[in-house]
Amino acid sequence: GQNIDQPTEMTATEGAIVQINCTYQTSGFNGLFWYQQHAGEAPTFLSYNVLDGLEEKGRFSSFLSRSKGYSYLLLKELQMKDSASYLCASAVGWGKLQFGAGTQVVVTP
Amino acid sequence: NAGVMQNPRHLVRRRGQEARLRCSPMKGHSHVYWYRQLPEEGLKFMVYLQKENIIDESGMPKERFSAEFPKEGPSILRIQQVVRGDSAAYFCASSQLIGTSGEKDTQYFGPGTRLTVL
Repeated sequence: GQNIDQPTEMTATEGAIVQINCTYQTSGFNGLFWYQQHAGEAPTFLSYNVLDGLEEKGRFSSFLSRSKGYSYLLLKELQMKDSASYLCASAVGWGKLQFGAGTQVVVTP
Repeated sequence: NAGVMQNPRHLVRRRGQEARLRCSPMKGHSHVYWYRQLPEEGLKFMVYLQKENIIDESGMPKERFSAEFPKEGPSILRIQQVVRGDSAAYFCASSQLIGTSGEKDTQYFGPGTRLTVL
């Protein structure tokens, strides 16, 4: 199978930095996506990596190492509204995304 | 620029009834995907469709579930003879292209249909 592993929950204070790690199995890999999902809402697209390295988008950055089957999402200058579940998803072949169970980030004042 | 539309947002059915979930992709998108999310679990891929074609249905249960994306109109996910285990959030996503290995492959999600089977 295509196991996607990410931590269940992380807690951090407002203004801090949090790094969410994700490991995936590499067979059929065709890109790595990160989504944010607030409770009861749709996942919203955050970032996409297909080549090794770091992609930066404002307060959010995502890193990929294809050889290690590893990615992380970095959230900087945390805000209360960043409290949400963060989903790591591997594109497998054409069209199918394999999702991890999500990492619940709790931002405290 | 409207996003992915799904309706209904909430659907209640009794065991044995049929559920029909509709999805209209974003403008300019011709690829549609259905995912199911059980409480406290991750999203699970069900099916990938293009207009009038099922491309990958490897995640669809073998019985009672079917999907279509006709030439005209929305994509439909149909669940016949629903059981309590079908209670979940069903999300539809759409993308512009496939195979470019770029952001045009990005799947954008609709708000979901929350199905409750009594």
